[in-house]
Amino acid sequence: SQTIHQWPATLVQPVGSPLSLECTVEGTSNPNLYWYRQAAGRGLQLLFYSVGIGQISSEVPQNLSASRPQDRQFILSSKKLLLSDSGFYLCAWSDDWEGWQYFGPGTRLTVT
Amino acid sequence: GENVEQHPSTLSVQEGDSAVIKCTYSDSASNYFPWYKQELGKRPQLIIDIRSNVGEKKDQRIAVTLNKTAKHFSLHITETQPEDSAVYFCAARREGGTSYGKLTFGQGTILTVHP
Repeated sequence: SQTIHQWPATLVQPVGSPLSLECTVEGTSNPNLYWYRQAAGRGLQLLFYSVGIGQISSEVPQNLSASRPQDRQFILSSKKLLLSDSGFYLCAWSDDWEGWQYFGPGTRLTVT
Repeated sequence: GENVEQHPSTLSVQEGDSAVIKCTYSDSASNYFPWYKQELGKRPQLIIDIRSNVGEKKDQRIAVTLNKTAKHFSLHITETQPEDSAVYFCAARREGGTSYGKLTFGQGTILTVHP
């Protein structure tokens, strides 16, 4: 069966520091991958999606970037964190464009 | 692009009562509508979905209805239990190659079921 992992689970970083969050999927190949951010008490905002290795599309302009160096690995990065980057970051995957979308356990990021 | 509005933002019911959450969408080409349940501090979990060729779908105590003409869909929970307390999100998606499976989410409804 398929599983999705995210790490770290929680992270506290100072303003201006770099960021790297990792997401990996097991048990499937060539998944569609997505990064979402959820601010406290708010909805889910799609940040990036990827349909294959090296293929990244950005949904909103911001301080973050994404990369997909391997088929089942999706990385969210920032060179310099802002206070507004705090939130719950969720990675999701689906088998195809018309399949169910499943979320990873998330990373809770606090920028201080 | 697609816009999904969800109401109410909070809903409080007594155990055993029914709960209804409503969503409207703007893109008439959207044809897939999932619902997710998110417990505090956890990931969203898919609980039920409906596609545009179906008007209603049921799974035990939960059901979803879709009105394509009016562009709205609703989640119905009957015989609510305290463990139903969570945030519920609706979403919409246009199926087809150019959508890349992207979901547009509503703002969420905080459901509280009082024992």
